[in-house]
Amino acid sequence: DAKTTQPNSMESNEEEPVHLPCNHSTISGTDYIHWYRQLPSQGPEYVIHGLTSNVNNRMASLAIAEDRKSSTLILHRATLRDAAVYYCIRIQGAQKLVFGQGTRLTINP
Amino acid sequence: DTEVTQTPKHLVMGMTNKKSLKCEQHMGHRAMYWYKQKAKKPPELMFVYSYEKLSINESVPSRFSPECPNSSLLNLHLHALQPEDSALYLCASSPRTGFSYEQYFGPGTRLTVT
Repeated sequence: DAKTTQPNSMESNEEEPVHLPCNHSTISGTDYIHWYRQLPSQGPEYVIHGLTSNVNNRMASLAIAEDRKSSTLILHRATLRDAAVYYCIRIQGAQKLVFGQGTRLTINP
Repeated sequence: DTEVTQTPKHLVMGMTNKKSLKCEQHMGHRAMYWYKQKAKKPPELMFVYSYEKLSINESVPSRFSPECPNSSLLNLHLHALQPEDSALYLCASSPRTGFSYEQYFGPGTRLTVT
């Protein structure tokens, strides 16, 4: 069964960069890595996804290791609104998001 | 409009009741999903619809019955639920099923079964 491993929680300070790690050691060649976050009392929100190369968008950057067994979500300058549970997800087949346990990110003012 | 709407926001039902959850999107997406989320746990996939046809059923008990009447609408019919079915039910949509499409989630319906 495809699993991802993330720390249960992390803490950072406002306006500092945050690096959220994820291990996916059994990933296969065609599996994409997606990241979603879930703010309190809301549905999950897409953050970023990638396959092999590092990816950037307006929300974050995704750094994927060369062997693809791990990845890191980078929030360049955290704000209080970034406090959420961040899920690293490996796509199974072409349809299924299988959520890992997630990392609860706390941002200190 | 990049919104997925879900109604109702909250639902309390007895074990003998029949109720329905509704999900709607107007983004032209052809894939829609139902997830179940228990407190402090990640969402778990229940059903996937692709082009209005059920393509994945994750061995969900028959007391949950999905329906996709058209490309914008997804229903989840509930009957004879158990207290352990109390959870947040999330709907999502994406342009199509596939590795690289992001899913847009609604805010969920919080269901309590008494």
